[in-house]
Amino acid sequence: DGGITQSPKYLFRKEGQNVTLSCEQNLNHDAMYWYRQDPGQGLRLIYYSQIVNDFQKGDIAEGYSVSREKKESFPLTVTSAQKNPTAFYLCASSLGGQAPNSPLHFGNGTRLTVT
Amino acid sequence: AQSVTQPDIHITVSEGASLELRCNYSYGATPYLFWYVQSPGQGLQLLLKYFSGDTLVQGIKGFEAEFKRSQSSFNLRKPSVHWSDAAEYFCAVGAIEGGSQGNLIFGKGTKLSVKP
Repeated sequence: DGGITQSPKYLFRKEGQNVTLSCEQNLNHDAMYWYRQDPGQGLRLIYYSQIVNDFQKGDIAEGYSVSREKKESFPLTVTSAQKNPTAFYLCASSLGGQAPNSPLHFGNGTRLTVT
Repeated sequence: AQSVTQPDIHITVSEGASLELRCNYSYGATPYLFWYVQSPGQGLQLLLKYFSGDTLVQGIKGFEAEFKRSQSSFNLRKPSVHWSDAAEYFCAVGAIEGGSQGNLIFGKGTKLSVKP
Protein backbone atom coordinates (compact mmCIF):
# COMPACT_ATOMS: atom_id res chain seq x y z
CA ASP A 1 0.00 0.00 0.00
CA GLY A 2 1.21 3.49 -0.78
CA GLY A 3 1.64 6.01 1.94
CA ILE A 4 3.82 8.34 3.92
CA THR A 5 6.22 7.10 6.56
CA GLN A 6 7.50 9.35 9.29
CA SER A 7 10.17 8.18 11.66
CA PRO A 8 10.71 7.99 14.49
CA LYS A 9 7.30 8.34 16.15
CA TYR A 10 8.85 9.81 19.30
CA LEU A 11 12.10 11.76 19.48
CA PHE A 12 13.86 13.23 22.48
CA ARG A 13 16.73 15.69 22.28
CA LYS A 14 18.68 18.00 24.51
CA GLU A 15 18.45 21.71 23.97
CA GLY A 16 21.12 23.00 21.58
CA GLN A 17 21.21 19.88 19.43
CA ASN A 18 20.04 19.73 15.84
CA VAL A 19 17.67 16.89 15.01
CA THR A 20 16.42 15.53 11.70
CA LEU A 21 12.94 14.12 11.17
CA SER A 22 12.47 11.64 8.35
CA CYS A 23 9.61 11.64 5.82
CA GLU A 24 9.35 9.18 2.95
CA GLN A 25 6.47 8.70 0.50
CA ASN A 26 5.80 6.08 -2.17
CA LEU A 27 2.74 7.76 -3.66
CA ASN A 28 4.70 9.28 -6.55
CA HIS A 29 3.55 12.71 -5.38
CA ASP A 30 5.40 15.77 -6.57
CA ALA A 31 4.65 18.02 -3.60
CA MET A 32 5.65 17.49 0.00
CA TYR A 33 5.00 19.57 3.10
CA TRP A 34 6.00 19.89 6.72
CA TYR A 35 3.53 21.14 9.30
CA ARG A 36 3.90 21.83 12.97
CA GLN A 37 0.97 21.17 15.28
CA ASP A 38 0.61 22.66 18.75
CA PRO A 39 -2.46 22.24 20.96
CA GLY A 40 -5.18 24.71 20.03
CA GLN A 41 -3.21 26.18 17.13
CA GLY A 42 -4.10 23.88 14.28
CA LEU A 43 -1.48 23.16 11.64
CA ARG A 44 1.13 25.67 10.65
CA LEU A 45 3.19 25.28 7.49
CA ILE A 46 6.96 25.13 7.96
CA TYR A 47 8.31 24.32 4.49
CA TYR A 48 6.99 22.88 1.27
CA SER A 49 8.45 21.53 -1.92
CA GLN A 50 6.67 21.33 -5.26
CA ILE A 51 9.50 19.56 -7.08
CA VAL A 52 12.84 17.90 -6.45
CA ASN A 53 15.69 20.26 -5.56
CA ASP A 54 13.30 23.12 -4.86
CA PHE A 55 11.50 24.19 -1.70
CA GLN A 56 9.91 27.29 -0.21
CA LYS A 57 9.46 28.67 3.28
CA GLY A 58 6.07 28.44 4.86
CA ASP A 59 4.65 30.57 7.64
CA ILE A 60 7.04 29.48 10.40
CA ALA A 61 10.31 28.48 8.71
CA GLU A 62 12.69 30.16 11.18
CA GLY A 63 14.88 27.61 12.94
CA TYR A 64 14.12 24.84 10.46
CA SER A 65 15.78 23.56 7.30
CA VAL A 66 14.83 21.01 4.65
CA SER A 67 16.22 19.28 1.59
CA ARG A 68 14.55 17.58 -1.37
CA GLU A 69 17.21 15.55 -3.14
CA LYS A 70 14.80 12.74 -4.07
CA LYS A 71 11.15 12.79 -5.00
CA GLU A 72 10.35 10.30 -2.25
CA SER A 73 12.12 12.04 0.63
CA PHE A 74 11.73 15.37 2.41
CA PRO A 75 13.66 15.43 5.70
CA LEU A 76 13.20 18.26 8.17
CA THR A 77 16.02 19.46 10.42
CA VAL A 78 15.07 21.28 13.59
CA THR A 79 18.06 23.42 14.43
CA SER A 80 19.20 24.83 17.74
CA ALA A 81 17.96 28.22 16.51
CA GLN A 82 14.35 27.09 16.85
CA LYS A 83 13.28 28.68 20.13
CA ASN A 84 10.44 26.32 21.00
CA PRO A 85 10.94 23.04 19.11
CA THR A 86 8.81 20.74 21.25
CA ALA A 87 5.78 19.91 19.09
CA PHE A 88 4.06 17.33 16.92
CA TYR A 89 5.41 17.40 13.36
CA LEU A 90 3.39 16.20 10.41
CA CYS A 91 4.65 15.47 6.93
CA ALA A 92 2.25 15.45 4.00
CA SER A 93 2.29 15.03 0.25
CA SER A 94 0.02 15.80 -2.68
CA LEU A 95 -0.06 15.63 -6.46
CA GLY A 96 1.06 19.25 -6.45
CA GLY A 97 1.25 20.86 -9.86
CA GLN A 98 -0.37 17.83 -11.47
CA ALA A 99 -3.61 18.76 -9.68
CA PRO A 100 -3.61 22.06 -7.79
CA ASN A 101 -5.32 21.84 -4.42
CA SER A 102 -5.43 18.08 -4.53
CA PRO A 103 -5.94 16.66 -1.04
CA LEU A 104 -3.03 16.17 1.28
CA HIS A 105 -1.96 12.72 2.42
CA PHE A 106 -0.45 12.75 5.88
CA GLY A 107 2.03 10.63 7.74
CA ASN A 108 1.37 9.65 11.35
CA GLY A 109 3.63 12.31 12.74
CA THR A 110 6.71 12.61 14.93
CA ARG A 111 6.43 13.96 18.44
CA LEU A 112 9.60 15.84 19.28
CA THR A 113 10.45 16.70 22.86
CA VAL A 114 13.41 18.94 23.59
CA THR A 115 14.57 19.39 27.18
CA ALA B 1 -5.57 36.89 2.92
CA GLN B 2 -7.34 33.58 3.12
CA SER B 3 -8.44 32.33 6.50
CA VAL B 4 -10.49 29.59 8.08
CA THR B 5 -12.44 29.89 11.32
CA GLN B 6 -13.79 27.01 13.34
CA PRO B 7 -15.77 28.75 16.08
CA ASP B 8 -16.14 25.74 18.36
CA ILE B 9 -13.00 24.53 20.10
CA HIS B 10 -14.68 21.57 21.80
CA ILE B 11 -18.07 19.93 21.30
CA THR B 12 -19.62 17.06 23.23
CA VAL B 13 -22.53 15.06 21.81
CA SER B 14 -24.31 11.93 22.90
CA GLU B 15 -23.86 8.77 20.89
CA GLY B 16 -26.63 8.54 18.32
CA ALA B 17 -27.26 12.29 18.27
CA SER B 18 -26.74 14.44 15.21
CA LEU B 19 -23.63 16.53 14.74
CA GLU B 20 -22.79 19.78 13.01
CA LEU B 21 -19.30 21.28 13.07
CA ARG B 22 -19.01 24.81 11.82
CA CYS B 23 -16.46 26.22 9.41
CA ASN B 24 -16.30 29.73 7.96
CA TYR B 25 -13.74 30.83 5.43
CA SER B 26 -12.47 34.02 3.92
CA TYR B 27 -11.40 33.75 0.32
CA GLY B 28 -11.62 36.03 -2.69
CA ALA B 29 -12.51 33.48 -5.32
CA THR B 30 -14.25 30.12 -5.42
CA PRO B 31 -12.56 28.11 -2.71
CA TYR B 32 -11.45 24.55 -2.60
CA LEU B 33 -12.68 23.24 0.75
CA PHE B 34 -11.75 20.20 2.79
CA TRP B 35 -12.56 18.48 6.05
CA TYR B 36 -9.94 16.30 7.72
CA VAL B 37 -10.16 14.17 10.87
CA GLN B 38 -7.34 13.38 13.30
CA SER B 39 -7.33 10.69 15.96
CA PRO B 40 -5.00 11.28 18.93
CA GLY B 41 -1.34 10.86 18.03
CA GLN B 42 -2.11 10.22 14.39
CA GLY B 43 -1.95 12.07 11.10
CA LEU B 44 -4.92 13.65 9.38
CA GLN B 45 -7.32 11.74 7.15
CA LEU B 46 -9.42 13.34 4.44
CA LEU B 47 -13.16 13.12 5.13
CA LEU B 48 -14.47 15.01 2.10
CA LYS B 49 -13.71 17.82 -0.31
CA TYR B 50 -15.56 20.43 -2.35
CA PHE B 51 -14.22 21.80 -5.59
CA SER B 52 -17.30 22.72 -7.63
CA GLY B 53 -20.76 21.52 -8.61
CA ASP B 54 -23.21 20.10 -6.12
CA THR B 55 -22.91 22.07 -2.91
CA LEU B 56 -23.75 19.06 -0.74
CA VAL B 57 -20.84 16.65 -0.71
CA GLN B 58 -20.69 13.19 0.77
CA GLY B 59 -17.63 11.83 2.46
CA ILE B 60 -16.38 8.79 4.25
CA LYS B 61 -17.72 7.44 7.55
CA GLY B 62 -21.20 8.85 6.89
CA PHE B 63 -20.17 12.50 6.95
CA GLU B 64 -21.44 15.20 4.63
CA ALA B 65 -20.81 18.91 4.25
CA GLU B 66 -22.66 21.75 2.58
CA PHE B 67 -21.01 24.66 0.84
CA LYS B 68 -22.95 27.90 1.28
CA ARG B 69 -21.35 30.70 -0.68
CA SER B 70 -23.66 33.37 0.74
CA GLN B 71 -22.59 32.49 4.27
CA SER B 72 -18.96 31.62 3.45
CA SER B 73 -19.51 28.38 5.28
CA PHE B 74 -18.71 24.72 4.84
CA ASN B 75 -20.27 22.96 7.82
CA LEU B 76 -19.73 19.28 8.47
CA ARG B 77 -22.68 17.10 9.49
CA LYS B 78 -23.44 13.57 10.53
CA PRO B 79 -26.97 12.32 11.30
CA SER B 80 -25.98 9.88 14.03
CA VAL B 81 -22.66 10.01 15.84
CA HIS B 82 -20.77 6.88 16.87
CA TRP B 83 -18.32 6.65 19.76
CA SER B 84 -15.54 6.06 17.22
CA ASP B 85 -16.14 9.54 15.78
CA ALA B 86 -14.46 11.11 18.80
CA ALA B 87 -11.48 12.93 17.30
CA GLU B 88 -10.36 16.37 16.22
CA TYR B 89 -11.77 17.80 13.01
CA PHE B 90 -10.07 20.35 10.79
CA CYS B 91 -11.54 22.46 8.05
CA ALA B 92 -9.15 23.69 5.35
CA VAL B 93 -9.31 25.98 2.34
CA GLY B 94 -7.21 25.71 -0.77
CA ALA B 95 -5.11 28.76 -1.60
CA ILE B 96 -3.82 29.36 -5.08
CA GLU B 97 -1.71 32.48 -5.03
CA GLY B 98 1.54 32.84 -6.83
CA GLY B 99 4.07 30.49 -5.35
CA SER B 100 1.76 28.97 -2.78
CA GLN B 101 -0.07 26.81 -5.23
CA GLY B 102 -1.46 23.75 -3.64
CA ASN B 103 -1.07 24.81 -0.04
CA LEU B 104 -3.97 24.49 2.32
CA ILE B 105 -4.87 26.85 5.14
CA PHE B 106 -6.22 25.02 8.17
CA GLY B 107 -8.61 26.07 10.88
CA LYS B 108 -7.58 25.50 14.48
CA GLY B 109 -9.73 22.43 14.81
CA THR B 110 -12.78 21.30 16.75
CA LYS B 111 -12.37 18.49 19.22
CA LEU B 112 -15.35 16.17 19.34
CA SER B 113 -16.15 14.13 22.42
CA VAL B 114 -18.89 11.50 22.36
CA LYS B 115 -20.67 10.47 25.54
CA PRO B 116 -22.44 7.13 25.90
